[in-house]
Amino acid sequence: KNEVEQSPQNLTAQEGEFITINCSYSVGISALHWLQQHPGGGIVSLFMLSSGKKKHGRLIATINIQEKHSSLHITASHPRDSAVYICAVGGGGADGLTFGKGTHLIIQP
Amino acid sequence: DSGVTQTPKHLITATGQRVTLRCSPRSGDLSVYWYQQSLDQGLQFLIQYYNGEERAKGNILERFSAQQFPDLHSELNLSSLELGDSALYFCASSVMGLSSEQYFGPGTRLTVT
Repeated sequence: KNEVEQSPQNLTAQEGEFITINCSYSVGISALHWLQQHPGGGIVSLFMLSSGKKKHGRLIATINIQEKHSSLHITASHPRDSAVYICAVGGGGADGLTFGKGTHLIIQP
Repeated sequence: DSGVTQTPKHLITATGQRVTLRCSPRSGDLSVYWYQQSLDQGLQFLIQYYNGEERAKGNILERFSAQQFPDLHSELNLSSLELGDSALYFCASSVMGLSSEQYFGPGTRLTVT
């Protein structure tokens, strides 16, 4: 069974700061997902990665398959980035996605 | 808007009852996934259907069942409900399987009293 660990669990930062959220997993995977969940509860898929790096606007996601580690970066953070960010992995012999516990991010103005 | 719809948004029911949650995937997506999010367990994968057939099973209780219909919409049936079944239930869809990006619906909040 894949174990997915995220750090930090909670993060409070000032507007404009560079944010990094980390995710590590224990077993080889076919893909890693970064998800965003706002207080209203809806989940949005930010990235799906199987190798390398992806960028959407101010968000960057990287994955190192050998080290079984991924990072989500937010540049020039803004209060609207406040949300829970969840890492999820697929494959590695497991059925369905296995989720991390999430990182609760608060960006203060 | 992900294009995935779920009904109802909220559901309040009593212990021992049975409910049905409905999900319509994005147009063109063949896979439907069901997830449960509770305060103590976080997000958990329940079950996946692909083009009408069960493809993968996760932590789904025997009291729960699901199906995917020929028009690709899916229903999750929860029976003999217990207080611990109170949770957010999400449906997601993707074009293919686990190597495809998943698009999540808005969720159904189930409260069992």
